[in-house]
Amino acid sequence: HLVLTQSPSASASLGASVKLTCTLSSGHSNYAIAWHQQQPEKGPRYLMKLYSDGSHSKGDGIPDRFSGSSSGAERYLTISSLQSEDEADYYCQTWGTGIWVFGGGTTLTVL
Amino acid sequence: EVQLVESGGALVHPGGSLRLSCAASGFTFTNYEMNWVRQAPGKGLEWVSYISSRGSTIFYADSVKGRFTISRDNAKNSLYLQMNSLRAEDTSLYYCARGGAVVAANAFDIWGRGTLVTVSS
Repeated sequence: HLVLTQSPSASASLGASVKLTCTLSSGHSNYAIAWHQQQPEKGPRYLMKLYSDGSHSKGDGIPDRFSGSSSGAERYLTISSLQSEDEADYYCQTWGTGIWVFGGGTTLTVL
Repeated sequence: EVQLVESGGALVHPGGSLRLSCAASGFTFTNYEMNWVRQAPGKGLEWVSYISSRGSTIFYADSVKGRFTISRDNAKNSLYLQMNSLRAEDTSLYYCARGGAVVAANAFDIWGRGTLVTVSS
């Protein structure tokens, strides 16, 4: 059963860095995922596709402040030099044959 | 500019029907897989349905199987979602999302702004 688990909330100070985590269910630790950002009252925005080896390909126009990494079944999104506009919900997404799955999302608060 | 614009959302009674549309522009629509994703008020994202670039392969989430039908018209650069037997739990903002190609394959790399479907008596 393909499931993605995310912490409901995270917070960090303006200018600092934050690392968000997305955990793949047992038996799926080699799956690639995608990260998406959803700012308040907006549609989601694709950030990057992240592979199990930590390599990633970012969407057009995504700043260098956004990066991804992996360890086992964990997939990470690191945002450095936090800005106020980074305050948003962040969703991870993965896929199998005929199914696409989203994590529950992490709400990031920039203090 | 690459863009997806959804339309067709409305207030509908339980058991009713609705057809959503998504107009694509700024890219070669016929080359891309497409999806519908929904988001209930205050909740997370839920994948609803997938259609391949030529329309030959279709998948549905269990929650909508047998009630919703996805289709596309590549000549019109448009994606559709026919929604029948609507329930209160179908109340959501419905997004059209493009399936990425090549390095972004299977990820949803372009999203629309959504269209709101409210099912209520």
